[in-house]
Amino acid sequence: KQEVTQIPAALSVPEGENLVLNCSFTDSAIYNLQWFRQDPGKGLTSLLLIQSSQREQTSGRLNASLDKSSGRSTLYIAASQPGDSATYLCAASTDSWGKLQFGAGTQVVVTP
Amino acid sequence: DTGVSQDPRHKITKRGQNVTFRCDPISEHNRLYWYRQTLGQGPEFLTYFQNEAQLEKSRLLSDRFSAERPKGSFSTLEIQRTEQGDSAMYLCASSPALDGEKLFFGSGTQLSVL
Repeated sequence: KQEVTQIPAALSVPEGENLVLNCSFTDSAIYNLQWFRQDPGKGLTSLLLIQSSQREQTSGRLNASLDKSSGRSTLYIAASQPGDSATYLCAASTDSWGKLQFGAGTQVVVTP
Repeated sequence: DTGVSQDPRHKITKRGQNVTFRCDPISEHNRLYWYRQTLGQGPEFLTYFQNEAQLEKSRLLSDRFSAERPKGSFSTLEIQRTEQGDSAMYLCASSPALDGEKLFFGSGTQLSVL
């Protein structure tokens, strides 16, 4: 069974610093990996999706990498802003149907 | 594109009562998913539909839970004889019927069982 782990569980950085969020998974036979953002009491917003054949995806200040052989994905957020404060979750899919296995998330606080 | 809509946003019920949640996916999204999330944890898969067909159910979905998607549009999730352990955020998501596509989540229904 696929297990997804995110460490650390919480992270606090001053505004302007780059954020590095880690995600590890046990089964390297993933179909794709997604990163989501969740604000308190709200649903999830998809940030980036990396297909298994890809090494990275970029959107604005966000960049996500994927290394299947080591079972790791990293989300980089450049020049963090207080509005980036949220919980970030990664999720791995091991089939094409979109069933996701989530990590518990990393709670990020960006202080002004 | 109005996004995935879930109703109600919050539900408070007494133990033993039945509750029903509704999810309206993004129009023309053939796939619909239900997840459950407890505090401090990531969402856990419950079940999903391709059009009106329910294709997979998690072992988390006991026989007190039932999900339907009549006509392949909106979906309902019913919990019978609720228990305090059912308290959670119930999230619905949809995606196009294309392999490897992003999932779009609704804002969820927060259930509290007293």
